[in-house]
Amino acid sequence: NAGVMQNPRHLVRRRGQEARLRCSPMKGHSHVYWYRQLPEEGLKFMVYLQKENIIDESGMPKERFSAEFPKEGPSILRIQQVVRGDSAAYFCASSPSGSYRDREQYFGPGTRLTVT
Amino acid sequence: LAKTTQPISMDSYEGQEVNITCSHNNIATNDYITWYQQFPSQGPRFIIQGYKTKVTNEVASLFIPADRKSSTLSLPRFSLSDTAVYYCLVGGPSGNTPLVFGKGTRLSVIA
Repeated sequence: NAGVMQNPRHLVRRRGQEARLRCSPMKGHSHVYWYRQLPEEGLKFMVYLQKENIIDESGMPKERFSAEFPKEGPSILRIQQVVRGDSAAYFCASSPSGSYRDREQYFGPGTRLTVT
Repeated sequence: LAKTTQPISMDSYEGQEVNITCSHNNIATNDYITWYQQFPSQGPRFIIQGYKTKVTNEVASLFIPADRKSSTLSLPRFSLSDTAVYYCLVGGPSGNTPLVFGKGTRLSVIA
């Protein structure tokens, strides 16, 4: 059973360009979460999605950031007009439905975004 | 959400038992305590979760006193491969809610 997959693993963008980060959850998982980690910091929650629905986007910046989890295909985190402050590691996690017994989310390896 | 406080860093010799304590004075009645481990350049990995007393699995033990205002993660025999950042999280039991991470404890080996 393959784990959570993220691609690309490393992404370099110039200021003003768009960044698209992809996440394929574990097989059978319908809940996806995106987190951002700055150097020497803990992970910060950004958005929680289920298939075709955004459940909680309280951690998403109001502008330039968007996320989707379509019926078919991976979840996408999109950052428009990137700035240097967007440089970070972006992690995706997934969990199965009915996960009410423990707080176990399965994390991908992350995408390291560098804005030059 | 209950705030957690844990040491920024700890060092240990290989072969020793390592205990990392986390304070969570404002823990709510229905909150669980969960620990995650993060190796460099990897995503976090769930280690253990508990509500009260003691929980043990193949990786670690978790000790929670009766007042639940703190918890201690115990790694029985520290090895170089355990070098990582350890995060203590507090919140409802469901895995279908966002996780709130602090800065964690960076655990290193003493050469």
